[in-house]
Amino acid sequence: DTAVSQTPKYLVTQMGNDKSIKCEQNLGHDTMYWYKQDSKKFLKIMFSYNNKELIINETVPNRFSPKSPDKAHLNLHINSLELGDSAVYFCASSQALLGVGSGNTEAFFGQGTRLTVV
Amino acid sequence: GNSVTQMEGPVTLSEEAFLTINCTYTATGYPSLFWYVQYPGEGLQLLLKATKADDKGSNKGFEATYRKETTSFHLEKGSVQVSDSAVYFCALSDGTGTASKLTFGTGTRLQVTL
Repeated sequence: DTAVSQTPKYLVTQMGNDKSIKCEQNLGHDTMYWYKQDSKKFLKIMFSYNNKELIINETVPNRFSPKSPDKAHLNLHINSLELGDSAVYFCASSQALLGVGSGNTEAFFGQGTRLTVV
Repeated sequence: GNSVTQMEGPVTLSEEAFLTINCTYTATGYPSLFWYVQYPGEGLQLLLKATKADDKGSNKGFEATYRKETTSFHLEKGSVQVSDSAVYFCALSDGTGTASKLTFGTGTRLQVTL
């Protein structure tokens, strides 16, 4: 049973298109995240949501719009895709905001979505 | 702001060699520290963690000790296997809760050969 699942695993699309990546967690967690991993493997936070509320928006272009219909889902919609958007996008979740509550320190990651813009 | 610095790779070792991957951090407050591993073609998995100073995290033969005095969390393994070949990421989370994000190092690729 996959704890954090993202779809699709691979996505190849042309510049200018609009695409979405879906993420679901079955851990009962309150907090979800999107991270971007670039071609050099560097990982950077994009967004975090807690109880469907946006907590962090790390200077991401407004072409990227996360949507959290409920606590178990955090989808990422990208408008007008650009070549520089090519990367691996990871969804993650944690029980609550990291650091809040004893023992709540761990984030669980999905398998990643490799986005290639051509 | 918070930051994590880890040694650049790739690190190439023969099987059964001793592994050290250095990691140092800069953070306000009292962060938790992590090592994540990414095997080829897979997502991130938590390898081990430590939540306070002098804690030692361990898993699958890997160990790391949270050293507040040197702001370090070096990863070690006494005898590596070919199956340990992966990219290893050191990370921290802000202890205050409001930031609620993991800050990652740049990753260190480990290649273990027979």
